[in-house]
Amino acid sequence: DQQVKQNSPSLSVQEGRISILNCDYTNSMFDYFLWYKKYPAEGPTFLISISSIKDKNEDGRFTVFLNKSAKHLSLHIVPSQPGDSAVYFCAASSLLTGANSKLTFGKGITLSVRP
Amino acid sequence: GAGVSQSPRYKVAKRGQDVALRCDPISGHVSLFWYQQALGQGPEFLTYFQNEAQLDKSGLPSDRFFAERPEGSVSTLKIQRTQQEDSAVYLCASSPSLGNTIYFGEGSWLTVV
Repeated sequence: DQQVKQNSPSLSVQEGRISILNCDYTNSMFDYFLWYKKYPAEGPTFLISISSIKDKNEDGRFTVFLNKSAKHLSLHIVPSQPGDSAVYFCAASSLLTGANSKLTFGKGITLSVRP
Repeated sequence: GAGVSQSPRYKVAKRGQDVALRCDPISGHVSLFWYQQALGQGPEFLTYFQNEAQLDKSGLPSDRFFAERPEGSVSTLKIQRTQQEDSAVYLCASSPSLGNTIYFGEGSWLTVV
């Protein structure tokens, strides 16, 4: 029973275009969401987060959108660069237990940015 | 180094063998986490320490899995009588305190044959 779902296993975009990575969740207790990026043979690195009191958070080329009613969030990368090619994990937690105390991850999406 | 350090990076164990995986968190980080990542899956929470106290071990899959952090710094994840389904990457992470950004190590790749 996956509580965080990343239904598309892969995405390929042209350099300079927008990448949109989607994530759905089922647990209503989740109120804090994060995106991690992972290169091969490395650990995941934190990208951006959002709490449920917001519907958008922006950091440079990365923006995360949260639609609480649909239990859906998305990561937008604009413009996409070849160095963004990696696996992207969506993760969720409950602020009640500590925002980063126990993360539930999706399976990940492999993003390929074509030069 | 400045990051979370894990050893060994790669371990091949025969079924039934015991293994120990070590994690050196970032200096001064109070919180330490262990996650298990099977092939093609996202990381799954195993256990969490605040200093030397193990506050949550709800993710440990069986009593063959044991974690400790006796002095509130280095942590060891021990797996007894390994089985093939234990094959995974074991990720350690640390954070300055609960609620701060978690920093992951590169992982220990365990293959049980």
